[in-house]
Amino acid sequence: GEDVEQSLFLSVREGDSSVINCTYTDSSSTYLYWYKQEPGAGLQLLTYIFSNMDMKQDQRLTVLLNKKDKHLSLRIADTQTGDSAIYFCAGKGARQLTFGSGTQLTVLP
Amino acid sequence: GAVVSQHPSWVICKSGTSVKIECRSLDFQATTMFWYRQFPKQSLMLMATSNEGSKATYEQGVEKDKFLINHASLTLSTLTVTSAHPEDSSFYICSARVGSLGTGELFFGEGSRLTVL
Repeated sequence: GEDVEQSLFLSVREGDSSVINCTYTDSSSTYLYWYKQEPGAGLQLLTYIFSNMDMKQDQRLTVLLNKKDKHLSLRIADTQTGDSAIYFCAGKGARQLTFGSGTQLTVLP
Repeated sequence: GAVVSQHPSWVICKSGTSVKIECRSLDFQATTMFWYRQFPKQSLMLMATSNEGSKATYEQGVEKDKFLINHASLTLSTLTVTSAHPEDSSFYICSARVGSLGTGELFFGEGSRLTVL
């Protein structure tokens, strides 16, 4: 099955850019997703990218996909304290979404 | 966007009792809902796929007699943790599909935190 891996922690200063990285193993994943989870809450879909795209931009969010290396990244520009959360990448396999372990983003003032 | 609501948000129960968690799609109909379990500081693990009007499909290693899933209507799926034990303490999250999963239309509930004493 699909394996999705992320680094566990990332700290940035307010106003800087954050880059959260993710690697996956299933090259047949047609869609790749980024979700945000705030403490004690469910998941919120931030953005997704279709596998035939290299990049997708949505306001402060930029998703980059390198299919050859099976590497996905989420860049958050001008990171704010409200962006502090856990960010999950997920890949759509044949039947289900497989989630990475999540990256805890801490934004320092 | 579409709203998925879970109830209760937080439940504490004694070991040996059963607990029911509800997942509702508030403004759309969901033929398929998903139940996940999340341990502290870990990712979500899919437990089962709930299909309206038919039996749920459980992932490998998930006991179907322990985690009873009922999807009796297009807006409600329930997860019942039977004879709960402390190791069942976890954060349970449901999600519901709007349209095709391939377009990213999957919405999550707020989660239900279960603590078994």
